[in-house]
Amino acid sequence: AQSVTQPDIHITVSEGASLELRCNYSYGATPYLFWYVQSPGQGLQLLLKYFSGDTLVQGIKGFEAEFKRSQSSFNLRKPSVHWSDAAEYFCAVGVIGTGTASKLTFGTGTRLQVTL
Amino acid sequence: KAGVTQTPRYLIKTRGQQVTLSCSPISGHRSVSWYQQTPGQGLQFLFEYFSETQRNKGNFPGRFSGRQFSNSRSEMNVSTLELGDSALYLCASSFGSANQETQYFGPGTRLLVL
Repeated sequence: AQSVTQPDIHITVSEGASLELRCNYSYGATPYLFWYVQSPGQGLQLLLKYFSGDTLVQGIKGFEAEFKRSQSSFNLRKPSVHWSDAAEYFCAVGVIGTGTASKLTFGTGTRLQVTL
Repeated sequence: KAGVTQTPRYLIKTRGQQVTLSCSPISGHRSVSWYQQTPGQGLQFLFEYFSETQRNKGNFPGRFSGRQFSNSRSEMNVSTLELGDSALYLCASSFGSANQETQYFGPGTRLLVL
């Protein structure tokens, strides 16, 4: 069965510092990988996605992620964090169900706190 | 283009009651998926509807059901509510016709069961 592990439950960084959120997945087929962000009381907003091709993908708000098949990882990075980046971040793998990759399996999330 | 909308945004029910949540997908999207988010279990897939048919199902009891209408709008019903059903219920939509698709989420309905 597929699974996603986000080993860091909570991370605190200073504004302007760099950020890396870790994500490891377990899935027997080609993974479709996503990062979503959730602000308190809100839904999930897509940051970026990997389907195939270039393993370094760019997303919104200056985020990027690198797919490393050999390490089963899809870590999220940002060179300089802004206070508005404080939120919860979820990594997810798209699982092929009946028809299409219509089921997402999520990690437990990483809560990012940004100090000024 | 309008995003995914969910109504109501907040609900308070008592144990034993039933509840219906509604989701309107992005225009042109035919697939609607439902997820439950709780502090203890995280984000879990409930089911997915495509062209008015349930196409995929998660591991939830039969008290959780759904349906989809011809305009792709979807409803989710929970019968005989339990305290543990308190959660944020998120729906997501996509075109539903290819493997490499992105699901776009609505703001969620927060259900509190007393």
